[in-house]
Amino acid sequence: EAGVAQSPRYKIIEKRQSVAFWCNPISGHATLYWYQQILGQGPKLLIQFQNNGVVDDSQLPKDRFSAERLKGVDSTLKIQPAKLEDSAVYLCASSPRFYRATNEKLFFGSGTQLSVL
Amino acid sequence: TQLLEQSPQFLSIQEGENLTVYCNSSSVFSSLQWYRQEPGEGPVLLVTVVTGGEVKKLKRLTFQFGDARKDSSLHITAAQPGDTGLYLCAGVSQDRGSTLGRLYFGRGTQLTVWP
Repeated sequence: EAGVAQSPRYKIIEKRQSVAFWCNPISGHATLYWYQQILGQGPKLLIQFQNNGVVDDSQLPKDRFSAERLKGVDSTLKIQPAKLEDSAVYLCASSPRFYRATNEKLFFGSGTQLSVL
Repeated sequence: TQLLEQSPQFLSIQEGENLTVYCNSSSVFSSLQWYRQEPGEGPVLLVTVVTGGEVKKLKRLTFQFGDARKDSSLHITAAQPGDTGLYLCAGVSQDRGSTLGRLYFGRGTQLTVWP
């Protein structure tokens, strides 16, 4: 079974530039998550999709971050314009369930490492 | 504010030693998960504990959920170099009256096991 695919693997940009990340979840998984993991910290949820609808984006900095999941399959996360503090690994995860059950299992991709100079 | 506090932050031991890492919070969680993350990879789920006082074993790893569902521990017996990685605990906090919860991660414990 193919895992969660993310691209690019690495990205280096200058501050105020734009960047986009792509994620293809495991086939059939209804829920897709984007997490931000700053060096030395645990992952922080940015946005959660249920099929193509947003379920939770309360921690997404909406002035510069946007995400979409058209057709309820793959997803893109965009940052425009980027700031130095956006340097982090951006992880995509998916899960098969429709809601966050207590024993829900998340499958993570390898992430995109973003460096903002 | 970190909802989940993990300790120690770093742990460096020799092969064959035993170790325990802790995950503590002042909040009650519906369930708690432990993940292991290796460099350049995403976290991989090891176990989910749901019931207060629950103990689960995964080969040489023993996971315990506190009676009050606010804390958890991971004990590794006879550690091996292959156990090296970042161990993350994550608590599921469920909004009252909702089936939707949120997964909060701790900062992790970076474990290095030397041969």
